Amino acid sequence: EVVMTQSPATLSVSPGERVTLSCRASQSVSNNLAWYQQKPGQVPRLLIYSASTRAAGIPARFSGSGSGTEFTLTISSLQSEDSAIYYCQQFNNWPPRGTFGQGTKVEIK
Amino acid sequence: QVQLVESGGGLVKPGGSLRLSCESSGFVFSDSSMGWIRQAPGKRPELISYLSRSLTSISYADSVQGRFTISRDNAQNSLYLEMNSLTAEDTALYYCARDVTTRGFFDVWGQGTLVTVSS
Repeated sequence: EVVMTQSPATLSVSPGERVTLSCRASQSVSNNLAWYQQKPGQVPRLLIYSASTRAAGIPARFSGSGSGTEFTLTISSLQSEDSAIYYCQQFNNWPPRGTFGQGTKVEIK
Repeated sequence: QVQLVESGGGLVKPGGSLRLSCESSGFVFSDSSMGWIRQAPGKRPELISYLSRSLTSISYADSVQGRFTISRDNAQNSLYLEMNSLTAEDTALYYCARDVTTRGFFDVWGQGTLVTVSS
């Protein structure tokens, strides 16, 4: 099983600042990686897929990069509504299995 | 609008069974691969089962392999999860989710149905 490790566990950032979240895979997943945002009491929302493609309706301040085992989610200018837990997720094509990271909680200062 | 609605959750005793359903609307269900994802309180999501639109790719997480069965009925625009031999570790909110990319990325999620396994 591919293990996904995210860092840091928690981040406290002021509005307007740039935020960088990291995700590392225990083995190469190529670009088969997605990022989700989950706010309290809500369903996870797909932000980025294929490592760097923004999902429909996602603001341009969210961007993803990386391939292989190292990935990054960047929020260029943090807004108050971005307070949430962010999960990375990888997916193997065969067998079709996926695993999530443990999440990074982003708090607003 | 695009929507997924799960049902079938509830309280069940250890060793019991449940069948979850997920009804879709607003999109061509047969064109999408689908997954069941569960999330225990305060934990990360777990992709427990995946079924491709072509029915040729099907998988289960190790934690449910041999106990859960995923299926779909394209005529009914529905996805199902048969769950047997349930244990307390299966207690979670169960989501069905759409993978329109067919690459394992889930762009639409239902609101979830809660499964509680307890005596």
